[in-house]
Amino acid sequence: SQQGEEDPQALSIQEGENATMNCSYKTSINNLQWYRQNSGRGLVHLILIRSNEREKHSGRLRVTLDTSKKSSSLLITASRAADTASYFCATGNTGTASKLTFGTGTRLQVTL
Amino acid sequence: ETGVTQSPTHLIKTRGQQVTLRCSSQSGHNTVSWYQQALGQGPQFIFQYYREEENGRGNFPPRFSGLQFPNYSSELNVNALELDDSALYLCASSLEWGTRTGYTFGSGTRLTVV
Repeated sequence: SQQGEEDPQALSIQEGENATMNCSYKTSINNLQWYRQNSGRGLVHLILIRSNEREKHSGRLRVTLDTSKKSSSLLITASRAADTASYFCATGNTGTASKLTFGTGTRLQVTL
Repeated sequence: ETGVTQSPTHLIKTRGQQVTLRCSSQSGHNTVSWYQQALGQGPQFIFQYYREEENGRGNFPPRFSGLQFPNYSSELNVNALELDDSALYLCASSLEWGTRTGYTFGSGTRLTVV
C-alpha cells in the first residue's frame, strides 16, 4: 500500500520558474526521502531529511518537513528542461526505517 | 565507484513460468532492497537483505523469494508467474539500511508476463 500522496499529480511550468511538490504521509517516520525518476527508469536519490529536521538544502533543492502535519514539500528553484521527471517522496517509518514506503509521485514537465 | 547494476534489462515470460532477476550492489554497500513498480504507481517494497539475511518483507506472497551473496549481490526469484507480476523491478543498495544516506537504485528490469 502507498504511504503517502504527492500533490499535485502533474505540474507543468516554464524553464526558470520554481516548482513545488507536496507530500503527505500517514504514520510516524524516522526519515523522509525524495527521489527523481526519468521515463520509468531507476530512481535517483535527491535528499534525505530526518524526523528531527525541519528544512534541508541541496543545490537548487529545498525540502521542508512538518511532522505535526505529516507533510513535506520539495522546492526546485530556477527549473531546467532536464528537471522533467517524476518525483517521489518515500518515508522510512518508525520501527521499519529501512523499508521505504513511496507515494504515487508528481510528474513535472519543464518547457522551454 | 560503480553504481547498482541489474540484469536483464527486459524480460518476457509466460504465465506459470519462473524468473530470476539479478542485482550487483554499489561497491561498499551491504544492504539490498527490491521493489516492484507497476505502471503509473510508486515502487512497492518486496524485501530487504542485510549481510545475507532477510531484514524485512513487504506484502508479497512466498512465491517471491530472494538471496544475498557474500559479495552483497542479490537475486530476486518469482515462481508461478502471474499476469499482474508484469512491472518494473528495482534493486536498491545502501550502507547500513539507507537511513542516513538513502539508497542507490539500479535502472530496473522490465518484466512482461504474457
